[in-house]
Amino acid sequence: TQLLEQSPQFLSIQEGENLTVYCNSSSVFSSLQWYRQEPGEGPVLLVTVVTGGEVKKLKRLTFQFGDARKDSSLHITAAQTGDTGLYLCAGGSSNTGKLIFGQGTTLQVKP
Amino acid sequence: NAGVMQNPRHLVRRRGQEARLRCSPMKGHSHVYWYRQLPEEGLKFMVYLQKENIIDESGMPKERFSAEFPKEGPSILRIQQVVRGDSAAYFCASSPAETVLPYRQPQHFGDGTRLSIL
Repeated sequence: TQLLEQSPQFLSIQEGENLTVYCNSSSVFSSLQWYRQEPGEGPVLLVTVVTGGEVKKLKRLTFQFGDARKDSSLHITAAQTGDTGLYLCAGGSSNTGKLIFGQGTTLQVKP
Repeated sequence: NAGVMQNPRHLVRRRGQEARLRCSPMKGHSHVYWYRQLPEEGLKFMVYLQKENIIDESGMPKERFSAEFPKEGPSILRIQQVVRGDSAAYFCASSPAETVLPYRQPQHFGDGTRLSIL
């Protein structure tokens, strides 16, 4: 059974601080997607990474896929209160495109 | 520019009743995925469908649950004889038709149906 473990589960920081969220597995994934979910809404796709070692930047967010495609990280620079939310990583590896989700990281950015 | 549309947003059923959840994919998408999010847990894959075909139902409970995606109309997730443990948020996601490498296709989610069982 493929599992994705996210850490930390909860993170509370001050506005302006940097943070990193990790997503780890003992399994190899062909792709890794990061989502953000607000209460009462569905996950919103932030990025998809597919190549080992790949780095993608989205404004203040930097996503990295591990060389062995078993892990990924999300780094936020100078966090803002608007970054508050639930961040989910999801791995794809089967031919059907089924996603395996991590448990999520709840981020709170305080003003 | 409609995204994935799910309805109803909230559904209340008594134990033993049937629940029908609907999902209309994004325009141009012909692949639909259903996921379930239990309280305090992450999203769990249930089923993957293309038009008129079930491709992967490995996450679907063997009894009481069924899914379809007809040639015309939305995808339907049907839960018969609901029990308290079925209370959850059910999310639908869709992806484009070009799926030579389906795991690379981004999945776009709807806002879910919150199912409550009395």
